[in-house]
Amino acid sequence: NAGVTQTPKFRVLKTGQSMTLLCAQDMNHEYMYWYRQDPGMGLRLIHYSVGEGTTAKGEVPDGYNVSRLKKQNFLLGLESAAPSQTSVYFCASNRGQPNQPQHFGDGTRLSIL
Amino acid sequence: GQNIDQPTEMTATEGAIVQINCTYQTSGFNGLFWYQQHAGEAPTFLSYNVLDGLEEKGRFSSFLSRSKGYSYLLLKELQMKDSASYLCAVRGGGQNFVFGPGTRLSVLP
Repeated sequence: NAGVTQTPKFRVLKTGQSMTLLCAQDMNHEYMYWYRQDPGMGLRLIHYSVGEGTTAKGEVPDGYNVSRLKKQNFLLGLESAAPSQTSVYFCASNRGQPNQPQHFGDGTRLSIL
Repeated sequence: GQNIDQPTEMTATEGAIVQINCTYQTSGFNGLFWYQQHAGEAPTFLSYNVLDGLEEKGRFSSFLSRSKGYSYLLLKELQMKDSASYLCAVRGGGQNFVFGPGTRLSVLP
């Protein structure tokens, strides 16, 4: 009963490097989301997906790309990492109906030097 | 614009009652969620309100007034394990979820 699984859990990158964060859910949820959490600012939506093959921009999409090739997976890419992208990244999923809460993964702690 | 306000920090004593307030201004409203987040962990769902009034779930209750753009989370019989951050989130139109900055609650013995 894994729920939402994020890999990796920790990563340190140098400025300009690229990487992909993986989110996998086993609850057959249609909707998936990527957030970043910074001190004092709460969770901010980066990108989201309402189904396989679809993606949409959230509040802070610049510098990130996403893909949803399979229903259970949602990938977040950083093409050229910047120190401002140092954050904790959370993936979430839900069924999409208005009263359905989001289920979150344990987060990825990313530091950009 | 969209804005959600919560107190930054609160302190309470074990066994007491604490009320965490949330005020919001969002474009569209399809419900308000409260989440609990322990340090270094994922947020977990506590409650959902879409109609005005009080929803009770054991030691936790949540209240909503849509006309005032206001909600609160009430925690009764506080326990040490309730020390955590409490996040207020509003679902606007579509998949637009807006989260508040969170309230860090410290429960003292």
